Amino acid sequence: SQKIEQNSEALNIQEGKTATLTCNYTNYSPAYLQWYRQDPGRGPVFLLLIRENEKEKRKERLKVTFDTTLKQSLFHITASQPADSATYLCALDTRNQFYFGTGTSLTVIP
Amino acid sequence: GAVVSQHPSRVICKSGTSVKIECRSLDFQATTMFWYRQFPKQSLMLMATSNEGSKATYEQGVEKDKFLINHASLTLSTLTVTSAHPEDSSFYICSAPTGWNEQYFGPGTRLTVT
Repeated sequence: SQKIEQNSEALNIQEGKTATLTCNYTNYSPAYLQWYRQDPGRGPVFLLLIRENEKEKRKERLKVTFDTTLKQSLFHITASQPADSATYLCALDTRNQFYFGTGTSLTVIP
Repeated sequence: GAVVSQHPSRVICKSGTSVKIECRSLDFQATTMFWYRQFPKQSLMLMATSNEGSKATYEQGVEKDKFLINHASLTLSTLTVTSAHPEDSSFYICSAPTGWNEQYFGPGTRLTVT
């Protein structure tokens, strides 16, 4: 069956450290993988998109890697800040459909 | 970035009534829009794909007669929850892709059926 899993439901880290979130999938062949941030009671906000033929993408303090052999994406937030606290969702875009992972709730402790 | 709006943001209705939720792309055209439902502490579940000028495509297990979708124009899709029941209470979110495959989401609509 098709599945998208993100590491632990909740992740707590100290301010200034690097947060690393994982997204693993099975039985999908995504053309793109995307990461979103969602705050409580709000819609997701697009952060980064990485294509199947790309290994890494960066945007300011954010870095995403994509390994289609391992079927895994890693999402890093460097120099984390309390304002980064939110739920982060990975999403697979198979060109026809769009599927979300279970989400990881990140809390950055001051 | 692109902006997607939803209306209303919150709605409370009585069991058995119908509720319409609007999704608009404000500064771009979208031939396709997506409708999701999200229960507390769960991820977004794709309900259906709304296609301008043609019928919507529903995910397995989603009743098309209960969740009516109309993609009236390149900037507007509507979701109507018909004969709503308390178990339909949820957070409904729409999204629209830009030409670069980035999805922009509406702020969501909190539906409570009493």
